[in-house]
Amino acid sequence: DADVTQTPRNRITKTGKRIMLECSQTKGHDRMYWYRQDPGLGLRLIYYSFDVKDINKGEISDGYSVSRQAQAKFSLSLESAIPNQTALYFCATSDPGRTGELFFGEGSRLTVL
Amino acid sequence: RKEVEQDPGPFNVPEGATVAFNCTYSNSASQSFFWYRQDCRKEPKLLMSVYSSGNEDGRFTAQLNRASQYISLLIRDSKLSDSATYLCVVNAGYNFNKFYFGSGTKLNVKP
Repeated sequence: DADVTQTPRNRITKTGKRIMLECSQTKGHDRMYWYRQDPGLGLRLIYYSFDVKDINKGEISDGYSVSRQAQAKFSLSLESAIPNQTALYFCATSDPGRTGELFFGEGSRLTVL
Repeated sequence: RKEVEQDPGPFNVPEGATVAFNCTYSNSASQSFFWYRQDCRKEPKLLMSVYSSGNEDGRFTAQLNRASQYISLLIRDSKLSDSATYLCVVNAGYNFNKFYFGSGTKLNVKP
């Protein structure tokens, strides 16, 4: 089983719908991240959390919100999805004690029509 | 200016070739450096960390030049299975809290 699990893996939705992407991890890391990846743009940080009470905006947080329900769970919500949020979304964890390597989930492909 | 810049490629090379990628970063306070490999539509996976003294893992060699702020990855004896996108990742900021990604360099290894 994957150490970082994302659900759903694929989702097609319509403009204006609310969508939640969920992430859970068994690595015991405090730090969790949500990234989106678009062709030619690399990965861009949406939100990150260093513990349950710590939530921070990344470079592209507009239109997104997050919830850190527990150390192991970090969910990303699109309150009202729009087509330019069509992308591949990755959750990741890191342990700063190990030079900060990132561990990624398998990704959630979201299409907004 | 992007924090991390890479040549997007693609680099098309025959099996057995040696190929090198470079990556430049803008933040001189960067602390950790990585090369990740990403297969099409899959998650990035760590290929290797990059240390100041340079490091090697089998056919892969990574170098760091702090003075010029660039990182390199050398792949020797390319295999078909090396075909992927290689992401340069830099960690800066206090307490390793900022990761910056290059947009990736695509490698195609041909028979």
